[in-house]
Amino acid sequence: DAGVIQSPRHEVTEMGQEVTLRCKPISGHDYLFWYRQTMMRGLELLIYFNNNVPIDDSGMPEDRFSAKMPNASFSTLKIQPSEPRDSAVYFCASSPRTGPPSPLHFGNGTRLTVT
Amino acid sequence: SQQGEEDPQALSIQEGENATMNCSYKTSINNLQWYRQNSGRGLVHLILIRSNEREKHSGRLRVTLDTSKKSSSLLITASRAADTASYFCAPFLGAGGSYIPTFGRGTSLIVHP
Repeated sequence: DAGVIQSPRHEVTEMGQEVTLRCKPISGHDYLFWYRQTMMRGLELLIYFNNNVPIDDSGMPEDRFSAKMPNASFSTLKIQPSEPRDSAVYFCASSPRTGPPSPLHFGNGTRLTVT
Repeated sequence: SQQGEEDPQALSIQEGENATMNCSYKTSINNLQWYRQNSGRGLVHLILIRSNEREKHSGRLRVTLDTSKKSSSLLITASRAADTASYFCAPFLGAGGSYIPTFGRGTSLIVHP
């Protein structure tokens, strides 16, 4: 299995531009999570899906952030318009089911820089 | 949400020494998991310990859990330079609890060759 695949690996954009981050979870995993990691705030959970349905988006910082999961094999996290404070590494993770004992499987992240 | 807090924030040791990292949490749990993050990579699951277990081993890793103190520790024995990474704990609530897998800031471990 190729694991969780995220694209792009690096994204540099100017303030005000739209940014779309993409994630392909592991086949057969029912849960998908989006996290953001910064030095200041650590690893923050933004939103997670179960069977393509958003379950908890309370971690999404602002209306500028939106996430979709149109099917079981694809999810996007969009920032529009982007701001310099959005600069971070964004991770996608998937899990076979909620709770124990299934671990989370993480992608290698997208490093976003907004200038 | 249930979040673990790792301690210390940073740890620097020589190759061959043991490294101990601690995790504290606030509510009752069903199990607790430890993850490792290498630089530029996502987190990788290391080991899971259930609430009815006190100690668990996996290779050079030893995890303990003290539910009365709401704490866990991760011991890496005979450390290697390749163990240099950040380590995170993730406590998981029991049945009926809201499942929100959250992580702390982690412990940054540097193993000098």
